[in-house]
Amino acid sequence: DVKVTQSSRYLVKRTGEKVFLECVQDMDHENMFWYRQDPGLGLRLIYFSYDVKMKEKGDIPEGYSVSREKKERFSLILESASTNQTSMYLCASSLGGGAPKRTEAFFGQGTRLTVV
Amino acid sequence: DAKTTQPNSMESNEEEPVHLPCNHSTISGTDYIHWYRQLPSQGPEYVIHGLTSNVNNRMASLAIAEDRKSSTLILHRATLRDAAVYYCILRDSWGSQGNLIFGKGTKLSVKP
Repeated sequence: DVKVTQSSRYLVKRTGEKVFLECVQDMDHENMFWYRQDPGLGLRLIYFSYDVKMKEKGDIPEGYSVSREKKERFSLILESASTNQTSMYLCASSLGGGAPKRTEAFFGQGTRLTVV
Repeated sequence: DAKTTQPNSMESNEEEPVHLPCNHSTISGTDYIHWYRQLPSQGPEYVIHGLTSNVNNRMASLAIAEDRKSSTLILHRATLRDAAVYYCILRDSWGSQGNLIFGKGTKLSVKP
């Protein structure tokens, strides 16, 4: 079974902490994405990566950074967590090149992060 | 980016067909129409996609209007497990990295 695995299902962190959310996919996909999901706002793209060490900002990158040192792993970093970053975080992956339009994306189960 | 419009919510009875509509009047010729759904407390999952022709798979059917300005996701026999938020998404123009732009989707309730 193909998989996108997020390291934690639930996480509680303190304001000001540095937080790492990890995502691993086993499908050899080029593209990986981080979204956050909030009630009433839906899913919003934070960052995406289309290759190792490559990244692009999404719609709401402020307060976040990412790292992609290996093809299968895409990390989201909250440099100094704040309460407004309490949210559900979702990682996804898909094929790259010209393929994304006509192939599916796979999502992880999500990490529910609470910043107190 | 081309946008989609879906009803906020729909209700269905178990074992009856469900037709979930989506309008995308500004679709471009190279946009694929994708449908995803999100069950409670889970990440979105792929349902089906198409370009011009109607498509069928084990989960659903996708009917695409001839002018491509609208499409309909068809669940042939709704089950309680089909209760979810359904998203209609256009995977945008050539050269994009395939970012999925989610709208608010349609929340489908299934009654026993």
